[in-house]
Amino acid sequence: DGGITQSPKYLFRKEGQNVTLSCEQNLNHDAMYWYRQDPGQGLRLIYYSQIVNDFQKGDIAEGYSVSREKKESFPLTVTSAQKNPTAFYLCASSGRDNSYNEQFFGPGTRLTVL
Amino acid sequence: AQRVTQPEKLLSVFKGAPVELKCNYSYSGSPELFWYVQYSRQRLQLLLRHISRESIKGFTADLNKGETSFHLKKPFAQEEDSAMYYCALSTGGGNKLTFGTGTQLKVEL
Repeated sequence: DGGITQSPKYLFRKEGQNVTLSCEQNLNHDAMYWYRQDPGQGLRLIYYSQIVNDFQKGDIAEGYSVSREKKESFPLTVTSAQKNPTAFYLCASSGRDNSYNEQFFGPGTRLTVL
Repeated sequence: AQRVTQPEKLLSVFKGAPVELKCNYSYSGSPELFWYVQYSRQRLQLLLRHISRESIKGFTADLNKGETSFHLKKPFAQEEDSAMYYCALSTGGGNKLTFGTGTQLKVEL
């Protein structure tokens, strides 16, 4: 697979700690997204970015932060303020070549708070 | 606010039987609808989009604005169709997607 990568695959965190999830893409896509996937709840949008140095909150942004300093990278920080951080996190990107219609997803990071 | 509803958490059918995965949406504007699929141990990927009016892997979906539905159909289910299917709605404004809760399709022999 390639194109969009996420690391690490599994992450364990102690309560009260911040942790950063990595997302990188080499598809030259302008837009990037972070979703959270929970059983029975589908995917929920955390943050998205349409261009470098700009990003917007999604539906469940509380307790999360992001940055977009480079086109290729969109890291997500899960802060200690996030009340229920244990989940599967998916990063995605989309580009102008298909009018942003299709989002390409990474393999995901499973975060567990101990 | 926009919303996508997939009423079935799990749908189990026999091989060769017809399949219909239901999706209803609520949105006051002009929607763009998609079906995404996640096969076991694979990434979430686009299956089809209503704007293309295409058939992918034998699946079709018609946007019915009157019923606000975008059901996914296939006349004869195959074992390799077993996967998690998500309906998604794009309402523009940053190309955000609103996903439904997903339907797990299981095709039994």
